[in-house]
Amino acid sequence: GAVVSQHPSWVICKSGTSVKIECRSLDFQATTMFWYRQFPKQSLMLMATSNEGSKATYEQGVEKDKFLINHASLTLSTLTVTSAHPEDSSFYICSARQGATGELFFGEGSRLTVL
Amino acid sequence: AQTVTQSQPEMSVQEAETVTLSCTYDTSESDYYLFWYKQPPSRQMILVIRQEAYKQQNATENRFSVNFQKAAKSFSLKISDSQLGDAAMYFCAYRSLSRLTFGEGTQLTVNP
Repeated sequence: GAVVSQHPSWVICKSGTSVKIECRSLDFQATTMFWYRQFPKQSLMLMATSNEGSKATYEQGVEKDKFLINHASLTLSTLTVTSAHPEDSSFYICSARQGATGELFFGEGSRLTVL
Repeated sequence: AQTVTQSQPEMSVQEAETVTLSCTYDTSESDYYLFWYKQPPSRQMILVIRQEAYKQQNATENRFSVNFQKAAKSFSLKISDSQLGDAAMYFCAYRSLSRLTFGEGTQLTVNP
């Protein structure tokens, strides 16, 4: 199957700093990418949908100024957590929609810990 | 808005036995897809099985099969001949167009 890679898989940062997480589709073009947040022992909650070349669509309750999403190419989307705080600590997962088939593929996830 | 409900937070099964995980959903749409995903301790989401709503035949993938009841909006997953490697969190998911909505998850334990 198609491969979606996230980087970094694990990051620790100080409160107040910004962290960028990358999501790449390695062997296909992704017209749409999705960002999810998952707290321990909970489900995946959709944060935003990003389409290549346009602004992301955020879910209700998600601060777009705090979670900046950029989808500059058909193979790369980035999530930047700005001025991170301990409550932003979570597991962030991206998925990419393959344009040709419409199938969704998931990245390995990125664990963010804010001290 | 679509909702997906998994009423079993935890389930356990003996190795080689069969277990069924429940899922119900709510939607007013007629064209959609349903999925079961597996999330092992590595946290990588793995697609187990998918079902197109327009297909009446239940999907099957080796030891995994579903019981899709469209009128009842029910989509259960049956795992036959359970193996230790099946232990994971299982999520039921609904997809219309490209948006994917997950249930709360069921933690499956497989006892040797």
